[in-house]
Amino acid sequence: GENVEQHPSTLSVQEGDSAVIKCTYSDSASNYFPWYKQELGKRPQLIIDIRSNVGEKKDQRIAVTLNKTAKHFSLHITETQPEDSAVYFCAAKRSYIPTFGRGTSLIVHP
Amino acid sequence: EAGVVQSPRYKIIEKKQPVAFWCNPISGHNTLYWYRQNLGQGPELLIRYENEEAVDDSQLPKDRFSAERLKGVDSTLKIQPAELGDSAVYLCASSLEAPKGNTEAFFGQGTRLTVV
Repeated sequence: GENVEQHPSTLSVQEGDSAVIKCTYSDSASNYFPWYKQELGKRPQLIIDIRSNVGEKKDQRIAVTLNKTAKHFSLHITETQPEDSAVYFCAAKRSYIPTFGRGTSLIVHP
Repeated sequence: EAGVVQSPRYKIIEKKQPVAFWCNPISGHNTLYWYRQNLGQGPELLIRYENEEAVDDSQLPKDRFSAERLKGVDSTLKIQPAELGDSAVYLCASSLEAPKGNTEAFFGQGTRLTVV
């Protein structure tokens, strides 16, 4: 099955700085890579996704890049704000099953 | 759109007791997932349904866990008997899958189970 590694497990930044979270996956057949944000006690919610036929996607302050050859993808958040503080999960989807990373706890200090 | 609805939100039970969780997916979604999320971890798949058929259940501990999705809509997940290690958040998700299988899954709020 698919194996997704995510790092760092914790990321602490100052407000206004950029944050980068990286994930690797093992199965080259994975074709969909969503990123979810989970605030404490709440449901995971999709913030951005990328499909295997695209190398980069951007939505305002967040962007995702995908390197299919190296089997890794990254989430980039620019101009971080305190409300960006949450746990972020990457996932790789193969044969209709999303496999999640262990999560990154992002802390943005005002 | 109401989103994925789960109940109860919280459940505390003694070990060896049974417990059941309920999920109502987004209307029209053909695929339903049950995930377990331990503290500080990512969601781990327990079972996936395509309509009413369980198509991926290799990670479901079948000695104590069971699930059903009647008429391909609502789903229940049951644990009998519960063990201390079952304490976790149980998340339900649904999606409308395209042939390529590359669509978004929407999550419910989850049921936080505490076994004492």
